[in-house]
Amino acid sequence: ETGVTQTPRHLVMGMTNKKSLKCEQHLGHNAMYWYKQSAKKPLELMFVYNFKEQTENNSVPSRFSPECPNSSHLFLHLHTLQPEDSALYLCASSQGLRAGETQYFGPGTRLLVL
Amino acid sequence: AQRVTQPEKLLSVFKGAPVELKCNYSYSGSPELFWYVQYSRQRLQLLLRHISRESIKGFTADLNKGETSFHLKKPFAQEEDSAMYYCALSGRSNYQLIWGAGTKLIIKP
Repeated sequence: ETGVTQTPRHLVMGMTNKKSLKCEQHLGHNAMYWYKQSAKKPLELMFVYNFKEQTENNSVPSRFSPECPNSSHLFLHLHTLQPEDSALYLCASSQGLRAGETQYFGPGTRLLVL
Repeated sequence: AQRVTQPEKLLSVFKGAPVELKCNYSYSGSPELFWYVQYSRQRLQLLLRHISRESIKGFTADLNKGETSFHLKKPFAQEEDSAMYYCALSGRSNYQLIWGAGTKLIIKP
């Protein structure tokens, strides 16, 4: 598959569960991003990785733990989430981190925390 | 504060009518402005950027630094233009995008 893929597409979890979101990009890009999209709010940047190194952590609670084993894969490990964490989680990639780089998005994982 | 404002959450126009989706921004430096679009059941994708000065799918957007606006326009709307439209901004030396909350555009037949 081409582009940016995300699995699972939908996830329901309890507050005590541990789950992981996976993102894979097939574009040969070096930078990958996690965004949170809540209803009627702007996209919130959570984490950025460039060449597997984390370059941004926008004050994200520690119950979200990213992992980037290589430039093509990005994970978001979730544990002890809160209901307010329910949202669409988008992964994106770009060639690099220059200003104005086009970001390519995955389809998202719709997360519901009960 | 750096901010992107899309004042309309929903915009509904008839097919063939002109469309203008508003975007206002607040930024202390020289911004780069973008419009991203998300069609139904498709992923978010770049529509156009101001620096390219291009027309994509009949849409254009002009950066007005005096009014700090980057409105998206199309003279004759088509039904396939129905989608969520997001305005975004980055600095000339900063890759991070600041996003608006989006406008849902509905084109009525």
